[in-house]
Amino acid sequence: DIQMTQSPSTLSASVGDRVTITCRASQSIVTWLAWYQQKPGKVPKVLIYKASTLQSGVPSRFSGSGSGTEFTLTISSLQPDDFATYYCQQYKSDPITFGQGTRLEIK
Amino acid sequence: EVQLVESGGGLVQPGGSLRLSCAVSGFTFSDHYMDWVRQAPGKGLEWVARSRDKGNIYSTEYAASVEGRFTISRDESMNSLYLQMSSLKTEDTAVYFCARVAKTYHYENWGQGTLVTVSS
Repeated sequence: DIQMTQSPSTLSASVGDRVTITCRASQSIVTWLAWYQQKPGKVPKVLIYKASTLQSGVPSRFSGSGSGTEFTLTISSLQPDDFATYYCQQYKSDPITFGQGTRLEIK
Repeated sequence: EVQLVESGGGLVQPGGSLRLSCAVSGFTFSDHYMDWVRQAPGKGLEWVARSRDKGNIYSTEYAASVEGRFTISRDESMNSLYLQMSSLKTEDTAVYFCARVAKTYHYENWGQGTLVTVSS
């Protein structure tokens, strides 16, 4: 199975900050990676797929990059609505696996 | 508008069975892979099972943790996806989501989830 490791597990930041979350895969997944945002009690929402493609309707302050085994999700200027948990997911091969999540908290 | 609506969750004793349903609308069901993903209380997301599309003869895959105990199926006439769960364990307690897989293989749509609690 491909293991996905996110860092950090928790991130404290302020409105307006630029933040970056990293996701590492245990083997190459090319660019078969998605990022999801989940708020408490809510359904996950896709932000980025194919490592860097912004899902329709997602604000342009979100961006993704990377290939192979190392990927990043960047939020260019944090907004109050962005405080949530973020998950990466690989879908190169079964079983599909997720990172453990990064909780983005208000500083 | 794409809609996925799960039902069938509830409280069940260890060793028991439960069948989850996911009613879909707004897209051609047979053209899409469909997955079940679960989330234990306070934990992360875990893929559970996959039903591929008609072109792939609706073949299925399972996570090792549920293989042999869970069965994913679909009824095209009812536009519904199912997850038959048996020999349930306390560690199967979770919110179960059905998810539509996009042609680029990420999860494009999710249902609202249904809670399964396995407890005596």
